[in-house]
Amino acid sequence: NAGVTQTPKFQVLKTGQSMTLQCAQDMNHEYMSWYRQDPGMGLRLIHYSVGAGITDQGEVPNGYNVSRSTTEDFPLRLLSAAPSQTSVYFCASSTGYRTDTQYFGPGTRLTVL
Amino acid sequence: AQSVTQLGSHVSVSEGALVLLRCNYSSSVPPYLFWYVQYPNQGLQLLLKYTSAATLVKGINGFEAEFKKSETSFHLTKPSAHMSDAAEYFCAVSEGTGGFKTIFGAGTRLFVKA
Repeated sequence: NAGVTQTPKFQVLKTGQSMTLQCAQDMNHEYMSWYRQDPGMGLRLIHYSVGAGITDQGEVPNGYNVSRSTTEDFPLRLLSAAPSQTSVYFCASSTGYRTDTQYFGPGTRLTVL
Repeated sequence: AQSVTQLGSHVSVSEGALVLLRCNYSSSVPPYLFWYVQYPNQGLQLLLKYTSAATLVKGINGFEAEFKKSETSFHLTKPSAHMSDAAEYFCAVSEGTGGFKTIFGAGTRLFVKA
């Protein structure tokens, strides 16, 4: 099993550009989520999904869109990149039970100029 | 709403010394608590978790944590630090109302001196 994979590993954007961060998992997990990690702020939840076709907002959803057309994939779209979106982005998956471990991808480091 | 506070953004210990990383939580429902570790340039991985069974939880790499309801704490300890323990550690609590979310603390970076 590959677990949770993310592409790209690094990305540099100019302000106003759009892009999609890819996330895929092969563990048949229902629950997937996107976090951003900023120094001194830990991980903050952007969006999450409890199954194909179902998504919801997390703590910091503005400027990001998600969709979940399959169980395996959960892409994160930046609509119009801003310097405030410079961060490290992590995708995670789990079975969705409160007690379950979340499995994280390796992260995407995004810089917006 | 649930929240997690980690005391100390940086902790430095000597190799062989006790490691103590502090975590306090706030929750209106019985909490499920986690410690994750992040090594440089990697994603997070689970160290241990409390799911209302034993209050003393043992994890990987010799780490353990004790759930103390009266103190709303879930501190992480290891009797003897190793150089390979240098990493960032995150305490987290999972919410259960209306769906599954995990709230993470701000993280504590552990430095281990030779």
